[in-house]
Amino acid sequence: SSELTQDPAVSVALGQTVRITCQGDSLRKFYATWYQQKPGQAPVLILFDKNDRPSGIPDRFSGSSSGDTASLTITGAQAEDEADYYCNSRDNNHNHVLFGGGTRLTVL
Amino acid sequence: QITLKESGPTLVEPTETLTLTCSFSGFSLTTSGVGVGWIRQPPGKALEWLALIYWDDDRRYSPSLKSRLTVTKDTSKNQVVLTMTNVDPVDTATYYCAHATSVTNWAESSWGQGTLVTVSS
Repeated sequence: SSELTQDPAVSVALGQTVRITCQGDSLRKFYATWYQQKPGQAPVLILFDKNDRPSGIPDRFSGSSSGDTASLTITGAQAEDEADYYCNSRDNNHNHVLFGGGTRLTVL
Repeated sequence: QITLKESGPTLVEPTETLTLTCSFSGFSLTTSGVGVGWIRQPPGKALEWLALIYWDDDRRYSPSLKSRLTVTKDTSKNQVVLTMTNVDPVDTATYYCAHATSVTNWAESSWGQGTLVTVSS
């Protein structure tokens, strides 16, 4: 398969932990990259490689992977984490990039 | 500081060719391990990866759009140009360019603000 599948929507209570998943065959071979996008803004890179964060990204964001599924975990979700989250990865042939359909996170 | 900015027409008629320019600063596309990618997002929909051009002029395209896309670079102007032929209303989207490097395993680490392109007659 050359697709990445994400749940359309997830919610979390303020201060609790939430996991957002991304599933696809390419994730057996390549790490997922994660982006956060708030309304009216460009996406922001929050995780790359196995579990690396660009400078300025809080450590409450972490990544993991098992088989064909990658996960983004937010430990202690904050109100400002309410956003759309997208995963991407290389395709199996390393020729192009795939994006997941995005997950809208609501912080209650 | 890395910055990127997309520019081009806001309205394009169906069947025409769309040309978008990404002007950037803070890095050079002559540096090994650097690339510039294009991603688009139809209103209210998900991100879609389009293309990536590397410092060595290697280019990669979305398989579904490959026949319609061309990406080129002008290193003297610090610009990357994306051309899309035979546009259709479904190509209406915000188009982003982004900086990518081997340091982040080619993740798009800095993005432009995006430019909204509407395809309509």
